Amino acid sequence: DIVMTQGALPNPVPSGESASITCQSSKSLLHSNGKTYLNWYLQRPGQSPQLLIYWMSTRASGVSDRFSGSGSGTDFTLKISSVEAEDVGVYYCQQFLEYPLTFGSGTKLEIK
Amino acid sequence: EVQLVETGGGLVQPGRSLKLSCVASGFTFNNYWMSWTRQAPGKGLEWVASITNSGGSTYYPDSVKGRFTISRDNAQNTLYLQMNSLRSEDTATYYCTRGGSEWGQGVMVTVSS
Repeated sequence: DIVMTQGALPNPVPSGESASITCQSSKSLLHSNGKTYLNWYLQRPGQSPQLLIYWMSTRASGVSDRFSGSGSGTDFTLKISSVEAEDVGVYYCQQFLEYPLTFGSGTKLEIK
Repeated sequence: EVQLVETGGGLVQPGRSLKLSCVASGFTFNNYWMSWTRQAPGKGLEWVASITNSGGSTYYPDSVKGRFTISRDNAQNTLYLQMNSLRSEDTATYYCTRGGSEWGQGVMVTVSS
């Protein structure tokens, strides 16, 4: 199984500052078709997860351009520029290259 | 507007069965693969099952393989999860998802005697 490992944030993050969340996969998620099979989700307190980024760097519909995804085949970063109160929650990365689909353990973002 | 509404959760004893349903609306259901993902209380997300748009192929992690069965009724726009031989570690909120881009509100399943 592909293991997804997420880094922690130096919480709380001051409002207006940027925050970067890291995720590492145990196997390259770069497919021969040139696409990287990585999603990012945000789960706000008490809510269902919401897709933020797919194919490593494509923002989902309606997602603020303050969110951006980048990376290589095994190392990925979700950057939130100018964090706001509504960004509070737990962020998950997920690989969908192969079954079983696997998630990172989550990274909590708190705002100061 | 895409909507996914799960039902069928509740309290069940270990070893017993439960069937979850997810009614979909707002999109052409038979065009999409569908999945179930769960979240134990205070824990992270765990993928549980996926099914192709026709229902011809299904996928499971080892943790539920042989106990859970995902199925769908495209005429009724409904996704199902039949859960047998339930264990305490299956206690979680179960989410119906459309390819990861859309999630239902979740339904709680508690396995306890």
